[in-house]
Amino acid sequence: GAGVSQSPSNKVTEKGKDVELRCDPISGHTALYWYRQSLGQGLEFLIYFQGNSAPDKSGLPSDRFSAERTGGSVSTLTIQRTQQEDSAVYLCASSPSGRVTDTQYFGPGTRLTVL
Amino acid sequence: AQSVTQLGSHVSVSEGALVLLRCNYSSSVPPYLFWYVQYPNQGLQLLLKYTTGATLVKGINGFEAEFKKSETSFHLTKPSAHMSDAAEYFCAVSDVLYGNNRLAFGKGNQVVVIP
Repeated sequence: GAGVSQSPSNKVTEKGKDVELRCDPISGHTALYWYRQSLGQGLEFLIYFQGNSAPDKSGLPSDRFSAERTGGSVSTLTIQRTQQEDSAVYLCASSPSGRVTDTQYFGPGTRLTVL
Repeated sequence: AQSVTQLGSHVSVSEGALVLLRCNYSSSVPPYLFWYVQYPNQGLQLLLKYTTGATLVKGINGFEAEFKKSETSFHLTKPSAHMSDAAEYFCAVSDVLYGNNRLAFGKGNQVVVIP
């Protein structure tokens, strides 16, 4: 079956603009995660969804970052008023249930460049 | 929070030689440990994971890892490196103290295979 997909694959934006990043998880997976991968910070957790709820938002770096999930499926990560330090690869992952032993399946990522 | 340490950001290995990537974790509870591989411009792919049971875990592509509680380690090995093993490798632990399966990653090892 299809894996996790993300769009766009690359996004270049100007400082101060808003961007939306999309994630389509594996069908039937109730858990969805967003991570950020940057040269300085490595791989960092951002937010966790179980269904449409986000019980753990503790990794979001500032209030400029928000995310939602609809229909227990597609998720959108929104960054408002982008800054250069937001430049990174944003990875989405899904897992069947969110149990701690679950394997997370990752998408290819969206590379965000803020000029 | 749980954490993972991977030493040596770049690892060079000759084709046919042993691959050894070290991972040490910090956890106040029994850990759930994962090794992921990332090929250029791709998402992360699970190599193997330890949850419970046998401490020697076999994964894909000939890799294996051994969970050693006394050493708080989960080192990854492959007896004979292949050119296709050139990639970045991440060790991760489920950060269970947050009540979900968010992963805490090490900084990664970039593996270069020398012909």
